[in-house]
Amino acid sequence: DVKVTQSSRYLVKRTGEKVFLECVQDMDHENMFWYRQDPGLGLRLIYFSYDVKMKEKGDIPEGYSVSREKKERFSLILESASTNQTSMYLCASSRTGTTYNEQFFGPGTRLTVL
Amino acid sequence: SQQGEEDPQALSIQEGENATMNCSYKTSINNLQWYRQNSGRGLVHLILIRSNEREKHSGRLRVTLDTSKKSSSLLITASRAADTASYFCATDAQSDYKLSFGAGTTVTVRA
Repeated sequence: DVKVTQSSRYLVKRTGEKVFLECVQDMDHENMFWYRQDPGLGLRLIYFSYDVKMKEKGDIPEGYSVSREKKERFSLILESASTNQTSMYLCASSRTGTTYNEQFFGPGTRLTVL
Repeated sequence: SQQGEEDPQALSIQEGENATMNCSYKTSINNLQWYRQNSGRGLVHLILIRSNEREKHSGRLRVTLDTSKKSSSLLITASRAADTASYFCATDAQSDYKLSFGAGTTVTVRA
């Protein structure tokens, strides 16, 4: 059974803290994505990676960075957390080179920044 | 940027009734996908329809695609309480692997 796991389901951090969100997939997928989800706004792409050490900005990269040192792991970093980064964060992965670019999602991390 | 827009934003139906939701998008696509999200969880892929297809079925799901109107609909027949969830359409207009999601339709099925 294919799986995308995220390091935490719930996380509470203080303003100014550095926050790491980890995502691991076991499907040998080339592509990995980080989204944030807010009520009424749907999913917005923060960053994605199409290969190890490769990354591209999504629609809302400000205040975030990412790291992909290994194919199976994609980390989202909030350098200095702020209250407006309180949100649900979803990681996803997909395979390159197929007609069907279905994405597989992790369970999400609900981050609260106080 | 959001490519898909779902309509309605929310839908409440009785168990056994059908639920229909629509998705409109702005630019040409290769395919359109529908995903389901149960409360507080990740998204699960439901069905994909290619741009050269007009209708597709999967169990109690029926998806239509009208590329001339840039719109798609998802029909859930004989709804069950377990169908209570948010439903999102996703299009791939921007690249071969990026998807653009709409804001979703929240469906509540009353027992």
